[in-house]
Amino acid sequence: AQKVTQAQTEISVVEKEDVTLDCVYETRDTTYYLFWYKQPPSGELVFLIRRNSFDEQNEISGRYSWNFQKSTSSFNFTITASQVVDSAVYFCALSPWDSSYKLIFGSGTRLLVRP
Amino acid sequence: SQTIHQWPATLVQPVGSPLSLECTVEGTSNPNLYWYRQAAGRGLQLLFYSVGIGQISSEVPQNLSASRPQDRQFILSSKKLLLSDSGFYLCAWHAGNSYEQYFGPGTRLTVT
Repeated sequence: AQKVTQAQTEISVVEKEDVTLDCVYETRDTTYYLFWYKQPPSGELVFLIRRNSFDEQNEISGRYSWNFQKSTSSFNFTITASQVVDSAVYFCALSPWDSSYKLIFGSGTRLLVRP
Repeated sequence: SQTIHQWPATLVQPVGSPLSLECTVEGTSNPNLYWYRQAAGRGLQLLFYSVGIGQISSEVPQNLSASRPQDRQFILSSKKLLLSDSGFYLCAWHAGNSYEQYFGPGTRLTVT
């Protein structure tokens, strides 16, 4: 089965705290792609990052970092020194190699950053 | 640069009425196009995708249909709306082998 699980439905933190959003995926394919998207209150999904299954290097972009571990089928997302503008719903998604680039989304994690 | 448009932004329709949502992409050619639906407080479900004019693949059996009359135009339709069709409809595109999809602003549909 191809599936993405985001077990954290909602997380609330105080500004400047670090927060990690968990993502666990299932796929029978050896080649696949993983993504994170941000959905602010306006509703439009904003692309954050793409990772392919052969690249397990962690990535950092400013306050954002991603930890990809094939051994645990996880692709976690950490926001360092969170800000109120980070408040949004974050989606993890999987695209198997032979899927015509279709995205399988997790149910999302709502992050609330309080001032 | 590429942009994606959706309209209308908001729509309130009675049960049994028809539906037509439009999505257009600018700044690219021969994109793959996708329609997703997001029910209130839930994740995104792929409804249809298209790899070219007139080529539509359906992911979920339902009373919705999709068409692609032009290269950069993707239309979502229904002859008779159901209450369960309410939700947030997002169109997305990607080009070539970039893999990531880029989303439009969405249409919020309420069926009453």
